[in-house]
Amino acid sequence: EAQVTQNPRYLITVTGKKLTVTCSQNMNHEYMSWYRQDPGLGLRQIYYSMNVEVTDKGDVPEGYKVSRKEKRNFPLILESPSPNQTSLYFCASSLSGQGFYGYTFGSGTRLTVV
Amino acid sequence: DAKTTQPPSMDCAEGRAANLPCNHSTISGNEYVYWYRQIHSQGPQYIIHGLKNNETNEMASLIITEDRKSSTLILPHATLRDTAVYYCIVRSLLGGNNRLAFGKGNQVVVIP
Repeated sequence: EAQVTQNPRYLITVTGKKLTVTCSQNMNHEYMSWYRQDPGLGLRQIYYSMNVEVTDKGDVPEGYKVSRKEKRNFPLILESPSPNQTSLYFCASSLSGQGFYGYTFGSGTRLTVV
Repeated sequence: DAKTTQPPSMDCAEGRAANLPCNHSTISGNEYVYWYRQIHSQGPQYIIHGLKNNETNEMASLIITEDRKSSTLILPHATLRDTAVYYCIVRSLLGGNNRLAFGKGNQVVVIP
């Protein structure tokens, strides 16, 4: 089944403890992206990747890192999480960063930083 | 990308057609209209997109006015599982970042 898989689904962590949220897609998509969703603010893009080894900042990149060493994986790294990064995170992929291709989203990761 | 305006919420009767409006009066010639929906904190789901012709797929139909300043997403036979937030998004194909600007959307509730 074509899908975007995120792990973990739920995570509670403490301030400052490095964590990684994994994202993997099995559709050979070139484009991948991370979004966060907060009440009243909607979905906002954090980082995106046009292809392997090509990443760039979205609208709210502060406090996050990403890497794209392989086409299928696009992990989101929080080096020193803070409470304001408590949010619902979604990974998404698309056939290409150009053109009108739709996104496929993962099921989400609910992160709580205490 | 052009801004869109949707009603914040609406109710629809189960089994009836649901017509979801979207205004995008500042849309430009190279911008597509996309529709996504999000069912209670799940990942958003792509529904349909179009440029100027009406489009139909297994999920819905998209009707775009001739001047392209508004569109309507039609769910032909609404079911309880169609209860979701529906997002109308206008996006230019120019530029490399396939970024989607999600607004507040339209909370659609299908009533039995």
